[in-house]
Amino acid sequence: SAVISQKPSRDICQRGTSLTIQCQVDSQVTMMFWYRQQPGQSLTLIATANQGSEATYESGFVIDKFPISRPNLTFSTLTVSNLSPEDSSIYLCSARTRDRGKGGLEAFFGQGTRLTVV
Amino acid sequence: DAKTTQPPSMDCAEGRAANLPCNHSTISGNEYVYWYRQIHSQGPQYIIHGLKNNETNEMASLIITEDRKSSTLILPHATLRDTAVYYCIVRVMNYGGSQGNLIFGKGTKLSVKP
Repeated sequence: SAVISQKPSRDICQRGTSLTIQCQVDSQVTMMFWYRQQPGQSLTLIATANQGSEATYESGFVIDKFPISRPNLTFSTLTVSNLSPEDSSIYLCSARTRDRGKGGLEAFFGQGTRLTVV
Repeated sequence: DAKTTQPPSMDCAEGRAANLPCNHSTISGNEYVYWYRQIHSQGPQYIIHGLKNNETNEMASLIITEDRKSSTLILPHATLRDTAVYYCIVRVMNYGGSQGNLIFGKGTKLSVKP
């Protein structure tokens, strides 16, 4: 299994500013992802963080608002730019690995970053 | 959009088996059934997955119907710590492509009561 660490665990930010969230995995993983979970809602995939190239964004999410980096196999950052109160959510990092021989894929998640925009 | 349908909530008595149903009537032949859960204020946690055979691990059992259009996650002896939102997800087995991405529905909020 993979252990995922996210920093910060929570933050309160002023509108118009940006927050960068860091995600560190303790082992090399094939793919990394960023999700958003709005209050009381399920998880929504923002993008796939690709190593050494631009992230692949899901519909409704754009690079200018959510720039993502992945400089190596174990680290990624998500920046939420030009913050507004609507960006108040939990942001989660996820990583995918090959499982232990059943031909499946397991995805592991960080504990999330709770962002409040005031 | 999520390809599964789950009841929004369920209750279960502590020590009893919790049976969580999931409908996935449009599942394709190359799609697996995955279950995750999310305990309050934590990230989702992998529970189990299967293709067509029933599966069991240290956490739970997964029963998939013969036509694969529905499945049931069984927690054999639910404890208070099993209170969480349980997500049933169908996905292809694709290591490198977006088709294998996890798409979360609303899940079932399981409340285990003393």
